[in-house]
Amino acid sequence: TQLLEQSPQFLSIQEGENLTVYCNSSSVFSSLQWYRQEPGEGPVLLVTVVTGGEVKKLKRLTFQFGDARKDSSLHITAAQPGDTGLYLCAGVGSNYQLIWGAGTKLIIKP
Amino acid sequence: ETGVTQTPRHLVMGMTNKKSLKCEQHLGHNAMYWYKQSAKKPLELMFVYNFKEQTENNSVPSRFSPECPNSSHLFLHLHTLQPEDSALYLCASSQETSGDQETQYFGPGTRLLVL
Repeated sequence: TQLLEQSPQFLSIQEGENLTVYCNSSSVFSSLQWYRQEPGEGPVLLVTVVTGGEVKKLKRLTFQFGDARKDSSLHITAAQPGDTGLYLCAGVGSNYQLIWGAGTKLIIKP
Repeated sequence: ETGVTQTPRHLVMGMTNKKSLKCEQHLGHNAMYWYKQSAKKPLELMFVYNFKEQTENNSVPSRFSPECPNSSHLFLHLHTLQPEDSALYLCASSQETSGDQETQYFGPGTRLLVL
């Protein structure tokens, strides 16, 4: 069974600080996706990483896929209140089903 | 409307009630999904439909019954639910079900409370 573990489960920091969220597995994924979910809404895709070692940037967000394609991280620089939300990682497993992490609830305090 | 819509947004029902959740996608996609989202747990895939045909049923209890009359509409019929079925039910769609870069587009969900 493929599993994805996300850490931390919850993070509350001040505006302007940096943070990193991790997504780890013992399984290899063909690609990995990061979503953000805001209260009262469904998850929205932020990025898909495909190649081992790949780094993608989305403004202040930096996503990295591990060399072995078993893990990924999301780094936010100078966090802002608008970054508040639930961050979910999802690996594309066998038969192309998404294997989801439990999420990191992020709160950025002004 | 655009994207994926779900109705109702909130639902409270007793254990003996019958209700239905509705999902509609306006993206021209061929695949639709039902997920269950509970606090602090990974999203649980319940059902997958591809070109109106059910392709996945992840050991979901029979008190949940999906229906996909066409590629744009998906229903989840609920009957004699249990309190532990209380959760956010999310509908999603994608162009296809295969492909390692396939993007799923989610609706806002139906918040279900079973009393």
